[in-house]
Amino acid sequence: SAVISQKPSRDICQRGTSLTIQCQVDSQVTMMFWYRQQPGQSLTLIATANQGSEATYESGFVIDKFPISRPNLTFSTLTVSNMSPEDSSIYLCSVLGKQRSDTQYFGPGTRLTVL
Amino acid sequence: GQQLNQSPQSMFIQEGEDVSMNCTSSSIFNTWLWYKQDPGEGPVLLIALYKAGELTSNGRLTAQFGITRKDSFLNISASIPSDVGIYFCAGRDMEYGNKLVFGAGTILRVKS
Repeated sequence: SAVISQKPSRDICQRGTSLTIQCQVDSQVTMMFWYRQQPGQSLTLIATANQGSEATYESGFVIDKFPISRPNLTFSTLTVSNMSPEDSSIYLCSVLGKQRSDTQYFGPGTRLTVL
Repeated sequence: GQQLNQSPQSMFIQEGEDVSMNCTSSSIFNTWLWYKQDPGEGPVLLIALYKAGELTSNGRLTAQFGITRKDSFLNISASIPSDVGIYFCAGRDMEYGNKLVFGAGTILRVKS
């Protein structure tokens, strides 16, 4: 399985500010995914980050609110813009398995609290 | 987004007991994955199932991919306190662009 790290692990932010979350993978991967997990809830896919092209967003998520960068095959960032308390969630980076692309692995998550 | 129907929602069992949880979907899935999430951590993959009828074990964990491709179960035998956590099923939905769809989770609490 891939080793995935995220920074920061947690943060407390003020309303109206933005936070950029970094995801680093120990090997090159074609697709990286960003998920949100609201308190007590399951995981919801925000977008798929493709290297060399714009991210593909799921219904209910827009680029202006969640801009994503994917400068190379091992790194991606997710920015949560103009935050409100409703954005308080765990944000998770994820990649497909190397041996089986239908398997999927997750990073440790970034726990965001917006005051 | 789409969700699977995962049950039970929570369980409170005695240490040493066996545990069973399952997921069903109205869609046909190509892959079923079972994850465990501890507090403050990301989900960790426990078992992956790739074809209908497949039965796979990982230590005290056993999972099966339903014949209809619309369901899966996870069993934990002889539960121990460290089994506490949230268990999620997830499946690749052909009708949803083969993306991973998650169940709502089963919260497992173990009495020692």
